[in-house]
Amino acid sequence: SQTIHQWPATLVQPVGSPLSLECTVEGTSNPNLYWYRQAAGRGLQLLFYSVGIGQISSEVPQNLSASRPQDRQFILSSKKLLLSDSGFYLCAWRTEMVNYGYTFGSGTRLTVV
Amino acid sequence: QKEVEQDPGPLSVPEGAIVSLNCTYSNSAFQYFMWYRQYSRKGPELLMYTYSSGNKEDGRFTAQVDKSSKYISLFIRDSQPSDSATYLCAITDYKLSFGAGTTVTVRA
Repeated sequence: SQTIHQWPATLVQPVGSPLSLECTVEGTSNPNLYWYRQAAGRGLQLLFYSVGIGQISSEVPQNLSASRPQDRQFILSSKKLLLSDSGFYLCAWRTEMVNYGYTFGSGTRLTVV
Repeated sequence: QKEVEQDPGPLSVPEGAIVSLNCTYSNSAFQYFMWYRQYSRKGPELLMYTYSSGNKEDGRFTAQVDKSSKYISLFIRDSQPSDSATYLCAITDYKLSFGAGTTVTVRA
């Protein structure tokens, strides 16, 4: 069966520090991968998506970047965190053939202080 | 204009009541309509999906889509305290667009 792993679960980082969040998927190949951010009391905002290794599409210009070094690995990064980067970050995947079948990880709660 | 608008709530109902949740969308190209349930500090989980106008039932849950009005609904019958969560509508063409979510509390 397919599973998605996301870590860490909680992170507190100072302003100006770097960030690296990792997401891996097991049990499938060539998934579409997504990073979402959810601010308190707001819906999910799509940040990046990837349809293959090295292919990254950015939905919102910001202080973050994403990379996909391997088929089932998706990384969200920042060189210098801002207070506004605080939020709940979620990784998700789906197969190309199933438009509705998005599966989410358990999320990382990031607090920038 | 947001692609998906969802009633913000919050919504508080007594146990056993019917919960009614709604969303409207702007892009008629959207193909799939979903409802996700999100418990506190967890990732969303897919509750129901549909791709056509009409009703779809799954136990106590009914998803309704009206493509002519660009309106989708989720009904929860005989609500239970375990149904307390945030419910997000989501609609997709090539990417998933979410509503803001409605937080529902079912009081025992």
